Amino acid sequence: NAGVTQTPKFQVLKTGQSMTLQCAQDMNHEYMSWYRQDPGMGLRLIHYSVGAGITDQGEVPNGYNVSRSTTEDFPLRLLSAAPSQTSVYFCASTVTSGGSYEQYFGPGTRLTVT
Amino acid sequence: AQKVTQAQTEISVVEKEDVTLDCVYETRDTTYYLFWYKQPPSGELVFLIRRNSFDEQNEISGRYSWNFQKSTSSFNFTITASQVVDSAVYFCALSEAVRGSTLGRLYFGRGTQLTVWP
Repeated sequence: NAGVTQTPKFQVLKTGQSMTLQCAQDMNHEYMSWYRQDPGMGLRLIHYSVGAGITDQGEVPNGYNVSRSTTEDFPLRLLSAAPSQTSVYFCASTVTSGGSYEQYFGPGTRLTVT
Repeated sequence: AQKVTQAQTEISVVEKEDVTLDCVYETRDTTYYLFWYKQPPSGELVFLIRRNSFDEQNEISGRYSWNFQKSTSSFNFTITASQVVDSAVYFCALSEAVRGSTLGRLYFGRGTQLTVWP
């Protein structure tokens, strides 16, 4: 098992550019989510999904889109990057029933928008 | 309003001291889950514990212990005989059920930076 993988690890964008942060898991977890981590703010939920075809907004969804066409993948799209989106992004997955509900986190993507 | 409050932004202790990290949460749900995660300087997030709202038993795991009190909406974390390797940011988190799913939105506190000096 590779667990939760995220690509890229680092990215620099210019304001207005678009990009997709990739997230994949091979544990057959129904639940996947995206967080951003900013200094002094903890982790804030951007979007989450409880299964293929189902997504929902978290605390800070503006400027981000997601889709969940398969159980394994949960990409996060920035349509028009802004400096306020400079952050570290974490993807996570877990089961939605039974188990410990431990969220398995990816290694993170450090994004800088200039 | 924050759903999870970690009032201690930073704590410094000397090795072998005991330290308690506070966590206060807010929810209207009767079924919810509480978590603690550790983020060492390397940046990864490490799961420490989950507690559900129906289980108020305190838990001990080695040098770690957790005190869950529904009456005060608190889920505090104590490290006994702290070590330098315990230096990290510790996050408390709350999960509320959404759409009939047991696990829904996960709200994190802002974290407590613990520094243990030798």
